[in-house]
Amino acid sequence: GNSVTQMEGPVTLSEEAFLTINCTYTATGYPSLFWYVQYPGEGLQLLLKATKADDKGSNKGFEATYRKETTSFHLEKGSVQVSDSAVYFCALSDDGGATNKLIFGTGTLLAVQP
Amino acid sequence: ETGVTQSPTHLIKTRGQQVTLRCSSQSGHNTVSWYQQALGQGPQFIFQYYREEENGRGNFPPRFSGLQFPNYSSELNVNALELDDSALYLCASSFQTGQGTEAFFGQGTRLTVV
Repeated sequence: GNSVTQMEGPVTLSEEAFLTINCTYTATGYPSLFWYVQYPGEGLQLLLKATKADDKGSNKGFEATYRKETTSFHLEKGSVQVSDSAVYFCALSDDGGATNKLIFGTGTLLAVQP
Repeated sequence: ETGVTQSPTHLIKTRGQQVTLRCSSQSGHNTVSWYQQALGQGPQFIFQYYREEENGRGNFPPRFSGLQFPNYSSELNVNALELDDSALYLCASSFQTGQGTEAFFGQGTRLTVV
């Protein structure tokens, strides 16, 4: 079945450091890929998405490229801020068009220190 | 434009009881999905409603049931509560169903079963 695997956290970085959170997926079809962010005590917010191979999603300085050959969608940011501290979830949507059901990874906690 | 709102925010129930959680979808959205997020895990898809009909279901037992109303708000009902049902329950709405459609999440209802 379809699944998402994320690197385990926590990831602890100093402010202005470079961030990479790895995400790989398994899917039978051609999924759409997403990164969601969850701040403490809040629901999920869409950070970025890509719907086909080689697409790059970007938002708020974060980027991720849909790599079909490596089945990956790694999240990157060139310079993190304390306000980026949150849990990041990689997800895919691949339900043959019937639903926009999302399959999530287990999440990666990012802690940015001043 | 109002966002997705869920009620209540927190709830404590006793094992064996029944619970109803509510969700108001974002204005203009006709699709609602429900997810269960256990502590330290990614959200798991429970089911989705599109124009008042269930059009997709995850691996949850029948004691998890739902409704969608003509105004596209929704309820999640859980019967015969078990301790393992303790989790954050997230509702997400979207303007249509189908792979790749962005889902907008509410802040969730934290259910504790004792």
